[in-house]
Amino acid sequence: DAGVIQSPRHEVTEMGQEVTLRCKPISGHNSLFWYRQTMMRGLELLIYFNNNVPIDDSGMPEDRFSAKMPNASFSTLKIQPSEPRDSAVYFCASSVGINQPQHFGDGTRLSIL
Amino acid sequence: GESVGLHLPTLSVQEGDNSIINCAYSNSASDYFIWYKQESGKGPQFIIDIRSNMDKRQGQRVTVLLNKTVKHLSLQIAATQPGDSAVYFCAEKGAGFQKLVFGTGTRLLVSP
Repeated sequence: DAGVIQSPRHEVTEMGQEVTLRCKPISGHNSLFWYRQTMMRGLELLIYFNNNVPIDDSGMPEDRFSAKMPNASFSTLKIQPSEPRDSAVYFCASSVGINQPQHFGDGTRLSIL
Repeated sequence: GESVGLHLPTLSVQEGDNSIINCAYSNSASDYFIWYKQESGKGPQFIIDIRSNMDKRQGQRVTVLLNKTVKHLSLQIAATQPGDSAVYFCAEKGAGFQKLVFGTGTRLLVSP
C-alpha cells in the first residue's frame, strides 16, 4: 500500500525564491498535517486540515508560509519569499481521523542558501 | 511535553536485552498517546498508541505503559535488535481538535 508521498525529497534554493512542497495523503485519510523538524526545535506542527478544511494554522511561522488542500488527495505548503532560517525537514502526515494515528511521509529536506 | 529539539538523551543496550524508553508528558488533559520511531532520513513511523482509559497495551515485541497519576508513558521493547536503533518519540493529544504534541525524543543504540 502506498504511504504518504511527498515531493520533492530534497530542495536547495536561494533566499527570496518561492518554494512549493507537495503531499499526497494516504487514500481514505481525511486529516492531513504539515510538520517542520529542526535540530533546535524538534518536530513542530505547522497546520492541519480535516476534510480539506484548515483547522489549526497557529503553528505557521508567519505570512510567508501558506498551505492549501484543494482536494482530498493533494496538499501544498508554500514559502514565499524563502529565508535561510526556513531550512529544515518538512513532513506531511495523514490519518483516518483526527484522533487516529498519523502516518508520515519521508519528508522534504529544504535548504535555503 | 513540548518539543524542544535540544540534546537527545541516549539509551545504549546490547542486542537481545529489553529496552525501556520513558516519557513524561505535560498535559493532564491529554487522552491519547502515541509512540513513533524515526530512522535517519525517514519520517516518524507509528509503533503503538494508547488511550487514557487503558494503562497497558501490547504489540509485537512492544508494550506501552501509561501512568496518568504521574503523567508518565513508557515504551518497552523486548529482545532489542540492531534494527531497533533509531530515535523514539512520544506524543500526546487532548480531546477533539487539539493537536498532537511531540516530545524531545530518545536515541536508542543497539550494539550487536
